[in-house]
Amino acid sequence: QKEVEQNSGPLSVPEGAIASLNCTYSDRGSQSFFWYRQYSGKSPELIMFIYSNGDKEDGRFTAQLNKASQYVSLLIRDSQPSDSATYLCAPLSGGNNRLAFGKGNQVVVIP
Amino acid sequence: DADVTQTPRNRITKTGKRIMLECSQTKGHDRMYWYRQDPGLGLQLIYYSFDVKDINKGEISDGYSVSRQAQAKFSLSLESAIPNQTALYFCATSNSGGPHQNEQFFGPGTRLTVL
Repeated sequence: QKEVEQNSGPLSVPEGAIASLNCTYSDRGSQSFFWYRQYSGKSPELIMFIYSNGDKEDGRFTAQLNKASQYVSLLIRDSQPSDSATYLCAPLSGGNNRLAFGKGNQVVVIP
Repeated sequence: DADVTQTPRNRITKTGKRIMLECSQTKGHDRMYWYRQDPGLGLQLIYYSFDVKDINKGEISDGYSVSRQAQAKFSLSLESAIPNQTALYFCATSNSGGPHQNEQFFGPGTRLTVL
């Protein structure tokens, strides 16, 4: 089983709609989870992090965490063309304090 | 001013050459990392350092070496470059404490091509 799994296939959403991105992880010791956005050819930039079960909202972004199911998701509300990017899920490993990055979810917002 | 800088930003080299990629940070972070990114493969950790005297191998350290010259500087060397080391390389930093601990901040990247 891969450490972090994300569906990397392009997710196309119309402008103004909600984009829903999913991530599963294998390390039950992970306590903190980070979402990064990466534009093509650019460096990843942190969007938000979550460490408690439930939802955390920051502007148009909502992170959802379910540790029992080893599942973390990111919702992007009112999607804008500028949200077109790859979103990387990164749990913090419980054993070595390293981030384990998934391959990313690619989002394409159609005007 | 960029908090995490990488030099060079682009580099084309030939097979067998030794090259060095450099990373500097002004964030005051104690931890530094080197990643490579290939299309469709996500970020792979090469080496990481939790302080000046600490160096650790990541997932794909073969063919690479690092040096932590100071808290603010972490360089990556390819001893004898080969074409499959062609990739985008990122340096990142994080803090071991404080309100933003473990958040990694990335440099702009170095695009390396080995011919």
